[in-house]
Amino acid sequence: DTEVTQTPKHLVMGMTNKKSLKCEQHMGHRAMYWYKQKAKKPPELMFVYSYEKLSINESVPSRFSPECPNSSLLNLHLHALQPEDSALYLCASSQDGQAGGELFFGEGSRLTVL
Amino acid sequence: QKEVEQNSGPLSVPEGAIASLNCTYSDRGSQSFFWYRQYSGKSPELIMFIYSNGDKEDGRFTAQLNKASQYVSLLIRDSQPSDSATYLCAHDGFQKLVFGTGTRLLVSP
Repeated sequence: DTEVTQTPKHLVMGMTNKKSLKCEQHMGHRAMYWYKQKAKKPPELMFVYSYEKLSINESVPSRFSPECPNSSLLNLHLHALQPEDSALYLCASSQDGQAGGELFFGEGSRLTVL
Repeated sequence: QKEVEQNSGPLSVPEGAIASLNCTYSDRGSQSFFWYRQYSGKSPELIMFIYSNGDKEDGRFTAQLNKASQYVSLLIRDSQPSDSATYLCAHDGFQKLVFGTGTRLLVSP
């Protein structure tokens, strides 16, 4: 059983919808991440929340917005997405956010934008 | 030059054989190296990590690191059809892991 929990596992949304992906980690880790993965590609980092500070990959469009209610939760709000945003969205956590150490992934949220 | 390079494969091996997966990286400052296994449509799962030059063994898996040559490998002994997956090599970076594109392994019964 994974200790990083993502919901929902599958999400289908229209381009005008607003939805959210939720992620919770139960390991007391200090850093949480959102990655995006397209088919046959490696995971691409979108956001890092580490030591109460949010870091953003500048190539991520503003239609994605992260929210960190507390150190164990990292949500991803989705608004006005495009079909090319369809992908597997992976949440991960690590004990030490500075060193880029071992990542523990959730099961992923498969997003389809119509 | 890509930061982490892997042959995309597929690498096909018969059941019971040794599968050898290779990875090169460009950042000489990298200290930690990871191998993740990813089944189709699933999230990556950590198989091995290695920090020091040389070999590290865990069951059927052996990771090898050569920092001078900037080379990391993963050997899978007695390959099983259940080992068929994509194997992602990664190393540490500031606030993130830097992933290679992965090698697809196919183990035939």
